[in-house]
Amino acid sequence: GEDVEQSLFLSVREGDSSVINCTYTDSSSTYLYWYKQEPGAGLQLLTYIFSNMDMKQDQRLTVLLNKKDKHLSLRIADTQTGDSAIYFCAERGFQKLVFGTGTRLLVSP
Amino acid sequence: DSGVTQTPKHLITATGQRVTLRCSPRSGDLSVYWYQQSLDQGLQFLIQYYNGEERAKGNILERFSAQQFPDLHSELNLSSLELGDSALYFCASSPARGRQPGSPLHFGNGTRLTVT
Repeated sequence: GEDVEQSLFLSVREGDSSVINCTYTDSSSTYLYWYKQEPGAGLQLLTYIFSNMDMKQDQRLTVLLNKKDKHLSLRIADTQTGDSAIYFCAERGFQKLVFGTGTRLLVSP
Repeated sequence: DSGVTQTPKHLITATGQRVTLRCSPRSGDLSVYWYQQSLDQGLQFLIQYYNGEERAKGNILERFSAQQFPDLHSELNLSSLELGDSALYFCASSPARGRQPGSPLHFGNGTRLTVT
């Protein structure tokens, strides 16, 4: 079946890099996604990576995919207080996205 | 702005009542998905429609039902409401039906349902 796991909490200082990790189970997933949810808001698509890629960079965001270990990570460079939010990884399961539990990122000044 | 519109933003109702949540997908998107987000269950997939037809069902209770209309907007009906139904209900849309490349889901801002 499809299952996605994330650590629940990450705390960093402003200016540091943040790394949010995710493991998934469905080896046939074609796309993996990162979403951001700010308080009181919906889920905002940040980036996604195709399963035949190892890495994707988009400005301050770097996604790394280890398909062998079914491990996905999101690195945020120069983390800002505005990056404080919940980050969800998701895998493209059959007919739907399956989401992890979300990682709450807290950025302190 | 994702282009997905959900109404109402907030809904407060009593146990036993029935409510309807509405979603307008992004222009051109044929698929609509409903998700429930609660503190203890996380983001749970409820149901998906594609071009008016039900395509996939997740953890949707029998007291809940949904439909997608010819103009592609969708409604989620929740009946015989219980305290445990209090949650954020999200609608998402995508152009495609299933495992199609590059078709991420775009989410609305959700409807917060409080059952008292």
